[in-house]
Amino acid sequence: AQSVSQHNHHVILSEAASLELGCNYSYGGTVNLFWYVQYPGQHLQLLLKYFSGDPLVKGIKGFEAEFIKSKFSFNLRKPSVQWSDTAEYFCAVDFGYGGSQGNLIFGKGTKLSVKP
Amino acid sequence: EAGVVQSPRYKIIEKKQPVAFWCNPISGHNTLYWYRQNLGQGPELLIRYENEEAVDDSQLPKDRFSAERLKGVDSTLKIQPAELGDSAVYLCASSLDRWSEQFFGPGTRLTVL
Repeated sequence: AQSVSQHNHHVILSEAASLELGCNYSYGGTVNLFWYVQYPGQHLQLLLKYFSGDPLVKGIKGFEAEFIKSKFSFNLRKPSVQWSDTAEYFCAVDFGYGGSQGNLIFGKGTKLSVKP
Repeated sequence: EAGVVQSPRYKIIEKKQPVAFWCNPISGHNTLYWYRQNLGQGPELLIRYENEEAVDDSQLPKDRFSAERLKGVDSTLKIQPAELGDSAVYLCASSLDRWSEQFFGPGTRLTVL
């Protein structure tokens, strides 16, 4: 079965620390990859996405992610986190074949707490 | 531009009671999704509509769940009867088409007692 794994349930960092959140997925075919963020009290919103091309993708608020096809990974990074980055981060994959293209499978999420 | 609107935001019911959730997608978005998010989990797709047609309802528990999208705009998701295990956040999302970014609503938090 198709699955998405996020390795960390809860990450706690101090401001200015670097961030890397792991995401791995099953299946070796063509995929579309997404990171969503949910700030406290707000709804899910798209942080960045990868469909094709340059495997290093830049998103909003200084976030970036790297697609490594050989490792089935799409890790999210930010060189220096801020208190306002405190949120829950979800990796999502569109395994994209046939009629199910467009259906997202989400990981369990990683809660990021940034200490001021 | 208005986002995806959902109501109610919170609902508390007793088991075996019916419940319904309403979603109004972003204007012009043809594709509409219902997801369920259990505590500590990511959202799981229940059903996807293309206009008024349910094109993927393979994950919808059809014995107690039903959904409709009349006229290809608003949608309702119903549970009858509700069970304790249905307690979750029910999210609606919409997109221009199934290849475009999905925009999520605030969700309805359902508690079944």
